[in-house]
Amino acid sequence: DQQVKQNSPSLSVQEGRISILNCDYTNSMFDYFLWYKKYPAEGPTFLISISSIKDKNEDGRFTVFLNKSAKHLSLHIVPSQPGDSAVYFCAASSGGSNYKLTFGKGTLLTVNP
Amino acid sequence: EAQVTQNPRYLITVTGKKLTVTCSQNMNHEYMSWYRQDPGLGLRQIYYSMNVEVTDKGDVPEGYKVSRKEKRNFPLILESPSPNQTSLYFCASSLWAGGGPDTQYFGPGTRLTVL
Repeated sequence: DQQVKQNSPSLSVQEGRISILNCDYTNSMFDYFLWYKKYPAEGPTFLISISSIKDKNEDGRFTVFLNKSAKHLSLHIVPSQPGDSAVYFCAASSGGSNYKLTFGKGTLLTVNP
Repeated sequence: EAQVTQNPRYLITVTGKKLTVTCSQNMNHEYMSWYRQDPGLGLRQIYYSMNVEVTDKGDVPEGYKVSRKEKRNFPLILESPSPNQTSLYFCASSLWAGGGPDTQYFGPGTRLTVL
């Protein structure tokens, strides 16, 4: 049972345009969400997170939006740059005393010059 | 320099031969975790630890053991490896802030092949 779903295996955008990566979840207990970026042959790196008490969090070119009623979050990258080309993972935890972290399968973003 | 180190980086072994992958962090993080990455399956958490002597199962713990005797080290043990444990493994550490890990740092990965 996949509790965190990234339904788009890949996404291709032009440099300078907006990239929107989507993530859906099924577990209503999830209340903290994270995005990670991964280049080939490297470990993932943390990008941005959002708590369920917020619906938006920004960090430079990266913004995460959370729609709790739809159990959906999205990562917006504006403007997209070729160096953003990587696999992006969405992850979720339910907080409290549960420290398990559940990841999606990832979306490969390609930003074309 | 803040880092998570894993050893070995590459390992080819045979079915049933016990092995340990070490993981160490220098950031005094309480939260440490092991993941495996497989094509089409993304990242899956194997085990995590919130403190010394406190460990718990992630989504795919079968066939693995861990220990947390010191805060900085979190080794992953495969008592009897099988070919389905061929994978890319990542160790990670972070503080735990509110509901989730705060800026989780990942190691460079260990590519394990079990023949």
